[in-house]
Amino acid sequence: SQKIEQNSEALNIQEGKTATLTCNYTNYSPAYLQWYRQDPGRGPVFLLLIRENEKEKRKERLKVTFDTTLKQSLFHITASQPADSATYLCALDHNAGNMLTFGGGTRLMVKP
Amino acid sequence: EAQVTQNPRYLITVTGKKLTVTCSQNMNHEYMSWYRQDPGLGLRQIYYSMNVEVTDKGDVPEGYKVSRKEKRNFPLILESPSPNQTSLYFCASKGRSYSYEQYFGPGTRLTVT
Repeated sequence: SQKIEQNSEALNIQEGKTATLTCNYTNYSPAYLQWYRQDPGRGPVFLLLIRENEKEKRKERLKVTFDTTLKQSLFHITASQPADSATYLCALDHNAGNMLTFGGGTRLMVKP
Repeated sequence: EAQVTQNPRYLITVTGKKLTVTCSQNMNHEYMSWYRQDPGLGLRQIYYSMNVEVTDKGDVPEGYKVSRKEKRNFPLILESPSPNQTSLYFCASKGRSYSYEQYFGPGTRLTVT
């Protein structure tokens, strides 16, 4: 069956360090992969989209990689700040892009 | 301001009492979708709509109905709510049925007793 896995344990890092979050998937052939940020009690907010033919995408302090051979995406936040503390979700499309399946999310805590 | 709105934001109801959660977007998006979020299970898609009068099931459609009579609105209907439908519900929209990011509403926290 299709599965998306993110580290369910919280990631605690010191301010200024680089946070790296992992998203692994099985039995999918997604055309693209998305990362969202979710704060407690609020709806997810889109951050980045990377297509299957792209290896890497950057946006300000964010970087996403997508390895379709390993079936893995890595999400990096450089020079992390306490305001980056949130849950980060990866999501994969299927059914010709009409459906989006989310991983369980990884909670990031950046300590000052 | 471009946004997705949901009402109500909080709802406590009893088993079997029909309810509707409204969703509206002002971005002229063709695609709209409903998700529920539960601890340990993440976000799961309930129904989606690619355009007016076009709806289809997501991963967990049982116990829910939807309709899309207008482009901007996509209500979620629970004809006979049960306690296992206690959850946090999100509506989302995007510009095209294929590709691109979804814009989420603020969520509706539903408790069924």
